[in-house]
Amino acid sequence: AQKITQTQPGMFVQEKEAVTLDCTYDTSDPSYGLFWYKQPSSGEMIFLIYQGSYDQQNATEGRYSLNFQKARKSANLVISASQLGDSAMYFCAMREGEGDDKIIFGKGTRLHILP
Amino acid sequence: EAGVTQSPTHLIKTRGQQATLRCSPISGHTSVYWYQQALGLGLQFLLWYDEGEERNRGNFPPRFSGRQFPNYSSELNVNALELEDSALYLCASSFVGNTEAFFGQGTRLTVV
Repeated sequence: AQKITQTQPGMFVQEKEAVTLDCTYDTSDPSYGLFWYKQPSSGEMIFLIYQGSYDQQNATEGRYSLNFQKARKSANLVISASQLGDSAMYFCAMREGEGDDKIIFGKGTRLHILP
Repeated sequence: EAGVTQSPTHLIKTRGQQATLRCSPISGHTSVYWYQQALGLGLQFLLWYDEGEERNRGNFPPRFSGRQFPNYSSELNVNALELEDSALYLCASSFVGNTEAFFGQGTRLTVV
């Protein structure tokens, strides 16, 4: 069974609009971490944001925020005021346990920002 | 502070040869993860090292192996290269425990 599900293979969004990239996860472990990464065409994986399962508040990093809904096992990434440079592949990932396990990735969402 | 560094950036090998890829983690990070990303595909977990020990291994044949050195840097070795081993190999490092993990820029391996 898929541990990380990203249901949007591709998205087209107008520049300056907000974007929500969906991610749902599956785990029975009470302790886990959730990650979002950006992969531009250059190939490097750029860390965007992290949310721990015990964190009370939603994580935010500049224009990125993680809409963490624990009961729904949802960890959507919100990008405010999108820019052309946001066009890239975005991966949601999870690490179960107390950080003593591998990081599992979803299949990714390709985001296209339109001028 | 230096990020995760991988070398070489590009590597071209002939089928049947061996490839060695290197990763230097962020200072203080003890965990190193290796992933394979074939063209157009997602990230497939290969290996995880922490404190010099192999902690977990993905569903890859034994010809994929590696090690972690006392300074926490790591090597990924791929023996008897096959054409389908052509991919971007990404290394990530983190502190132990559930914290952020950061990736290097990757090594693009091409097998001809």
